[in-house]
Amino acid sequence: SQKIEQNSEALNIQEGKTATLTCNYTNYSPAYLQWYRQDPGRGPVFLLLIRENEKEKRKERLKVTFDTTLKQSLFHITASQPADSATYLCALGSGGYQKVTFGTGTKLQVIP
Amino acid sequence: DVKVTQSSRYLVKRTGEKVFLECVQDMDHENMFWYRQDPGLGLRLIYFSYDVKMKEKGDIPEGYSVSREKKERFSLILESASTNQTSMYLCASKFSGGSGEKLFFGSGTQLSVL
Repeated sequence: SQKIEQNSEALNIQEGKTATLTCNYTNYSPAYLQWYRQDPGRGPVFLLLIRENEKEKRKERLKVTFDTTLKQSLFHITASQPADSATYLCALGSGGYQKVTFGTGTKLQVIP
Repeated sequence: DVKVTQSSRYLVKRTGEKVFLECVQDMDHENMFWYRQDPGLGLRLIYFSYDVKMKEKGDIPEGYSVSREKKERFSLILESASTNQTSMYLCASKFSGGSGEKLFFGSGTQLSVL
């Protein structure tokens, strides 16, 4: 069955450093991969999408890489700030009328 | 901005009750989803729908059913609530366009079954 794994342990980093989160998947050939941010008590909010034929995508301080051979995506937040503290979820989809499947999420804590 | 509204923020029900969770989106999206979120398990897909009256089972449909009579409304039904259905329930609708796809989520319904 399809499996999406994110580091279940919380990630603590110092303010100003680059945070790197990992998303690995098995038994899946997604058309795209997405990253979402979720704050406590709120629904996830979309951040970025990267397609299967793209290697890297950037948006402001965010960078996502997608390696379909390794079946892995890396999500980077550069110059991290305490306001970046949240849980980050990766999600995979095949487009159209297909489902969107989420990983378990990684909790990021940026320490001032 | 897209708005996805879930009818209740908090809900407390008794075992065996029939429970309705309502979700409404205002952007004419075709695809809508119901997830539940539990600590350590992430978001798990219960059901999704790609059109009015159309539905597909997700990964954990047992004990649930859904209804989509109108495009903007997607309801999740717990036929006979059980304590293991205590969870945060999240509804989402999906935008599809040239820039790709993305889900818009409601604020969630925290359901407690006693």
